[in-house]
Amino acid sequence: EDQVTQSPEALRLQEGESSSLNCSYTVSGLRGLFWYRQDPGKGPEFLFTLYSAGEEKEKERLKATLTKKESFLHITAPKPEDSATYLCAGEGNTGFQKLVFGTGTRLLVSP
Amino acid sequence: EPEVTQTPSHQVTQMGQEVILRCVPISNHLYFYWYRQILGQKVEFLVSFYNNEISEKSEIFDDQFSVERPDGSNFTLKIRSTKLEDSAMYFCASSESSPLHFGNGTRLTVT
Repeated sequence: EDQVTQSPEALRLQEGESSSLNCSYTVSGLRGLFWYRQDPGKGPEFLFTLYSAGEEKEKERLKATLTKKESFLHITAPKPEDSATYLCAGEGNTGFQKLVFGTGTRLLVSP
Repeated sequence: EPEVTQTPSHQVTQMGQEVILRCVPISNHLYFYWYRQILGQKVEFLVSFYNNEISEKSEIFDDQFSVERPDGSNFTLKIRSTKLEDSAMYFCASSESSPLHFGNGTRLTVT
């Protein structure tokens, strides 16, 4: 059974304090590893797709990387507006865009 | 920027009643999905829909659930006889191919 596990469950950072979120996956025939941001009361907002080990993508203070077993979301010099829950999801060979989500990491960035 | 819209934002219903959750996907998208998130749990796949038929469905999507695209713009999820355990956030999503774009959800509360 496909599985995605995220750690830590919650992370508290000071503004400017860089860190990384982890996503471990066991997904058969991985077609894509997705990162989404979710604000309270809202739906997931797409950030990145990674397709193969070694791939990296960046957007502002965020960088996502992928290995054969894990993905990391690196947050450099975070700001309070980066506070959100970050969701990782894998798409395997069981169905087109049939995503398996992790439980997310709740990030709080204090000024 | 085009977005997926869902109505209502919150629906309260009594056990055994039928509910219809409505979604307007992004206009040029061809693939439509429902996901749900029980409070404190993972976002989980329910069903995907393409070319006016169900492409994939999860074990959760049993006979009490149905989906329909009644016209060129709406996509609905019907739950025929609601149970307490159907209480969750229901997210509609659409895509041209990848990635998925999610709406802000309908919070369904079954009492």
